[in-house]
Amino acid sequence: DTAVSQTPKYLVTQMGNDKSIKCEQNLGHDTMYWYKQDSKKFLKIMFSYNNKELIINETVPNRFSPKSPDKAHLNLHINSLELGDSAVYFCASSQLDRAHEQYFGPGTRLTVT
Amino acid sequence: GQQVMQIPQYQHVQEGEDFTTYCNSSTTLSNIQWYKQRPGGHPVFLIQLVKSGEVKKQKRLTFQFGEAKKNSSLHITATQTTDVGTYFCAGSYSSASKIIFGSGTRLSIRP
Repeated sequence: DTAVSQTPKYLVTQMGNDKSIKCEQNLGHDTMYWYKQDSKKFLKIMFSYNNKELIINETVPNRFSPKSPDKAHLNLHINSLELGDSAVYFCASSQLDRAHEQYFGPGTRLTVT
Repeated sequence: GQQVMQIPQYQHVQEGEDFTTYCNSSTTLSNIQWYKQRPGGHPVFLIQLVKSGEVKKQKRLTFQFGEAKKNSSLHITATQTTDVGTYFCAGSYSSASKIIFGSGTRLSIRP
């Protein structure tokens, strides 16, 4: 009965690899987001999808590609991982008319070695 | 670019003392939200303020939005160990725009 879930919780991988993080929400929300939180706890939005359509695409390397197969899922694929990609990645969701009240998933801690 | 500044970065208080964190923007905000993130956890939405001068309370927490809608504060009265965590403000410049998180204030409490 988890509202926003992410898998995996931890991901340790080597530079140059490709990896994916999955996110699912069962809240019936229309909008989903990916955030990156660095080691200093800064939270920065990366992408936002509304009903499977990309609406926010911040300045992130094009090695990061989000995919939304349906409005309950938003996955993040990362190609050619770099050391600087190490961070906690949070998925979040919200209702369209309450976009600023966001529900976050538990996070995926990505460590690139 | 648009930035939301938050101070202090850290605050260490004795249990029972009050705590305040402040958020500032150089340009007028449409609205502001506050989130709490426990150590090892994820951000949890606390509240949204929309109106100029708005004050909202949640038990020991008091949230204010400045008259000019450029600043906000969160005040906790008589802190408890359960208040430990990082408090983030997050502002947006229109009702439809993305939210920009402040840098957070990490609250620690000595019992």
